[in-house]
Amino acid sequence: NAGVMQNPRHLVRRRGQEARLRCSPMKGHSHVYWYRQLPEEGLKFMVYLQKENIIDESGMPKERFSAEFPKEGPSILRIQQVVRGDSAAYFCASSPEPANIQYFGAGTRLSVL
Amino acid sequence: AQRVTQPEKLLSVFKGAPVELKCNYSYSGSPELFWYVQYSRQRLQLLLRHISRESIKGFTADLNKGETSFHLKKPFAQEEDSAMYYCALVYGTDKLIFGTGTRLQVFP
Repeated sequence: NAGVMQNPRHLVRRRGQEARLRCSPMKGHSHVYWYRQLPEEGLKFMVYLQKENIIDESGMPKERFSAEFPKEGPSILRIQQVVRGDSAAYFCASSPEPANIQYFGAGTRLSVL
Repeated sequence: AQRVTQPEKLLSVFKGAPVELKCNYSYSGSPELFWYVQYSRQRLQLLLRHISRESIKGFTADLNKGETSFHLKKPFAQEEDSAMYYCALVYGTDKLIFGTGTRLQVFP
């Protein structure tokens, strides 16, 4: 089992561009969580998805951010019209069922120029 | 509001010394707490969870509801314990609330 795979590891975007972050959960896991870590801070919950459903998006900014977890393929976190404040490390985690141990990917470090 | 506080950004000890990484939480319900560890250039991984009541790599953590604490302890630190340690609380049935982390440095 390859574990939770995130790509790219590093992503550089200019202000106003779009950023797409991908997350493939562990085999057999249908629950995906996205977290954001700003410099000098802990990880902050953004969104929880099951296949084709958003279960909890209470941590997502109201604008420019969206997430999906289609029936086939990885989960995508999409940030439109990026701004410098979006620069952070974005982590994805997966679990086989809710309220279970979450297994983390290595993260995507987004830098906005 | 739900919150996890790790008051120390950095904890430095010598090899063989005891270690205690502090974690305090604020939660109105019955908490479920975890310690995650991130070694250099590796991903975040679970170290232990309070409901398991087990010792992993010599680390233990006891939930103290009276003091709302879940401190991580190890009697004799090893150099390979050097890492970032995050305390986390499950909120609802899904999200984890993390502390800001403590970097443990173990000197030879």
